[in-house]
Amino acid sequence: LAKTTQPISMDSYEGQEVNITCSHNNIATNDYITWYQQFPSQGPRFIIQGYKTKVTNEVASLFIPADRKSSTLSLPRVSLSDTAVYYCLVGPDTGNQFYFGTGTSLTVIP
Amino acid sequence: NAGVTQTPKFQVLKTGQSMTLQCAQDMNHEYMSWYRQDPGMGLRLIHYSVGAGITDQGEVPNGYNVSRSTTEDFPLRLLSAAPSQTSVYFCASSYRGGYTEAFFGQGTRLTVV
Repeated sequence: LAKTTQPISMDSYEGQEVNITCSHNNIATNDYITWYQQFPSQGPRFIIQGYKTKVTNEVASLFIPADRKSSTLSLPRVSLSDTAVYYCLVGPDTGNQFYFGTGTSLTVIP
Repeated sequence: NAGVTQTPKFQVLKTGQSMTLQCAQDMNHEYMSWYRQDPGMGLRLIHYSVGAGITDQGEVPNGYNVSRSTTEDFPLRLLSAAPSQTSVYFCASSYRGGYTEAFFGQGTRLTVV
């Protein structure tokens, strides 16, 4: 499994764009990059998944460079309700299980 | 759809007691798993199942048992509770295995005294 490295915590002001970078230097050819969001006292929620280039949905964008050794989750114009822990997971879309790292704790400041 | 439902939401046990954490999903997912989350930490995989009748161990299986008699239900049993098992427990299900979209329950906060 590809090991991931993310910042432990980040602060941002409301209305700003937030970029959370995840490093995964030993990503395998069949690995996908998946991000989850976890609010306090709730279970994680799937946000976005990608393999290469850019993926965008109603919640976030995911930027993946050509070498795929890192990825960036971009949250546009964050609000207080975006305060959460964001997890970057890297692994194949086959197999029996998946593992979480420690995530990035994002605090949005008024 | 209810999604993934966990019961109870809160539980206090005495050391040595046993109990079962319930998890049910109504999405007809084959893959289900149990995680524990300790304060300030990520989620660690306890046990998982790839279908009815099939279970396997994750990262931290000691002290826990699971069974999967139906597609919908995946209970987690604590055999003899210990203070080290104080944690928040999450159940998850997914249509496909691996690193695909998974749906999580709201969690069970367990305290062992």
